[in-house]
Amino acid sequence: DVKVTQSSRYLVKRTGEKVFLECVQDMDHENMFWYRQDPGLGLRLIYFSYDVKMKEKGDIPEGYSVSREKKERFSLILESASTNQTSMYLCASSLSGRGTYEQYFGPGTRLTVT
Amino acid sequence: AQTVTQSQPEMSVQEAETVTLSCTYDTSENNYYLFWYKQPPSRQMILVIRQEAYKQQNATENRFSVNFQKAAKSFSLKISDSQLGDTAMYFCAFMKQNTDKLIFGTGTRLQVFP
Repeated sequence: DVKVTQSSRYLVKRTGEKVFLECVQDMDHENMFWYRQDPGLGLRLIYFSYDVKMKEKGDIPEGYSVSREKKERFSLILESASTNQTSMYLCASSLSGRGTYEQYFGPGTRLTVT
Repeated sequence: AQTVTQSQPEMSVQEAETVTLSCTYDTSENNYYLFWYKQPPSRQMILVIRQEAYKQQNATENRFSVNFQKAAKSFSLKISDSQLGDTAMYFCAFMKQNTDKLIFGTGTRLQVFP
């Protein structure tokens, strides 16, 4: 069974704080993804990593950065949290296969920035 | 750029009945993949069904089937014999060939009533 875990289910941070969201997958997947989920907007891709130390911007990378030092771990960093980053953050992973393989999702982190 | 549209924000159905969720997409690509993902309340997102654009036959998975109309760029999900456990947010998603990145619609919240 593929398992994708995220470090926190709920997180409350103050404006201006540096925030780290961690994601770990246990199935040796090459690809890892960070999405943001907002009501009425669906899921939007923030960043994508297709290998260790490799990353690609998604549709809404502004205000975020990522780190992938090990294959199983993909971190999302909010350098200076703002209230408009209050959202649900979902991590996912997949094998590299040009559409062949499904993405497996973590449980999500609901981040509130006050 | 590709877009995915789900025009039904909310739907409801009685247990054992059939319901169809709509999805349309816009692309100039000829080869691509389409997906339906399910996100139950407070649970992880999972893949329901997948369709390759080059296949004319509609995909089916048990009670779930799709109506894929390539010329109309339509990809609806039919759930037969609805069960209470089908209550969830359903997302339609598009993936261009030779990428591993999904583009999601805004979702349809389905409520199954006893």
